[in-house]
Amino acid sequence: SQELEQSPQSLIVQEGKNLTINCTSSKTLYGLYWYKQKYGEGLIFLMMLQKGGEEKSHEKITAKLDEKKQQSSLHITASQPSHAGIYLCGADGGGAQKLVFGQGTRLTINP
Amino acid sequence: GAVVSQHPSWVICKSGTSVKIECRSLDFQATTMFWYRQFPKQSLMLMATSNEGSKATYEQGVEKDKFLINHASLTLSTLTVTSAHPEDSSFYICSASWRGRQQPQHFGDGTRLSIL
Repeated sequence: SQELEQSPQSLIVQEGKNLTINCTSSKTLYGLYWYKQKYGEGLIFLMMLQKGGEEKSHEKITAKLDEKKQQSSLHITASQPSHAGIYLCGADGGGAQKLVFGQGTRLTINP
Repeated sequence: GAVVSQHPSWVICKSGTSVKIECRSLDFQATTMFWYRQFPKQSLMLMATSNEGSKATYEQGVEKDKFLINHASLTLSTLTVTSAHPEDSSFYICSASWRGRQQPQHFGDGTRLSIL
């Protein structure tokens, strides 16, 4: 079965700094999704990547899927307090549109 | 973007009570809905997949008689935790998606269930 490993598990950065979160898959990725979750709340969809080498950006967040489609990264530029939360990568795994999630990366932004 | 509404957001009840959680897709027809459980500081654990008009598919280890799922329409799925006990206390989240090209799942805001 597919497994996703996220790194780091937690991250504390100074406001204004850039940061990167990685998501590595045990198998080829055919659909990779990034979500953000605030504690005790639901998940907010950020981006979906499907093609090797694909890169998408929204505001200050950029997500990339490597050519081999086994690793994705999420990069935040000039971080702000509003970026704080838990970032989860999810991948299509096992058919029937089911998602497998990484364990999450807890991001804290210090003012 | 797509909106999924989950209700209630917080439930506190006595042991032995059955609790129903609703998940609605507000602006699209959800052919498939998913129910997840999340323990503190952990990732989401898929409990079951629900397709409109058919029986839910439960993940291994999830008791289908304990967690009853109904997906009677394209906009509503319900999860009923029957005879809830303290160990059922958790954060439950639903998501919804629709058929066609690969589409992301859109999530509700979750329901925090506390069984006393």
